[in-house]
Amino acid sequence: GENVEQHPSTLSVQEGDSAVIKCTYSDSASNYFPWYKQELGKGPQLIIDIRSNVGEKKDQRIAVTLNKTAKHFSLHITETQPEDSAVYFCAAPGVDSSYKLIFGSGTRLLVRP
Amino acid sequence: NAGVTQTPKFQVLKTGQSMTLQCAQDMNHEYMSWYRQDPGMGLRLIHYSVGAGITDQGEVPNGYNVSRSTTEDFPLRLLSAAPSQTSVYFCASSWDYSSTDTQYFGPGTRLTVL
Repeated sequence: GENVEQHPSTLSVQEGDSAVIKCTYSDSASNYFPWYKQELGKGPQLIIDIRSNVGEKKDQRIAVTLNKTAKHFSLHITETQPEDSAVYFCAAPGVDSSYKLIFGSGTRLLVRP
Repeated sequence: NAGVTQTPKFQVLKTGQSMTLQCAQDMNHEYMSWYRQDPGMGLRLIHYSVGAGITDQGEVPNGYNVSRSTTEDFPLRLLSAAPSQTSVYFCASSWDYSSTDTQYFGPGTRLTVL
């Protein structure tokens, strides 16, 4: 089945610096790659997604890039702020059903003031 | 709209006990799912439903049952709790059953099985 690997598991940056989280996937037919943010004590929330027909998508300080040849996609957060501290999950569709999302193991981001 | 609601927020069970985790959504979403979240393992799909009366297994279905009698509700039942089921459980819903549709998550239920 689909396998989604996410790195790093923890990331600590200084406020104002950039943060990058990377994910790799195994199914070359995957066509949708969302990123979810989970704040402490809450459920995950979609922050950005990208489809396979584009290589990059931006939304203010957040961007996602996709490299279909290498089968990896990345989340980029610029000018990090303390409120960006959270756990971030990448995901990709499961190969055996279009109904399922397979999530990465998560990255805990800490932005130091 | 309240979105996706889950009850209870916390629960402690003894091994062998049974219980039902409740999930409800008021957005008229067709697709609902249950995940468990364990440290270092991300979110793993337990069961899902593409509409009322239809359910199917996810990655880790053993020890759990679900039913979908209405569009709004999707309860998760633990028939005989085991310590391995200690986890945080999230319910999610989306407009349709496509994996490309945005999923809306509830606040979670933290379950401890002693």
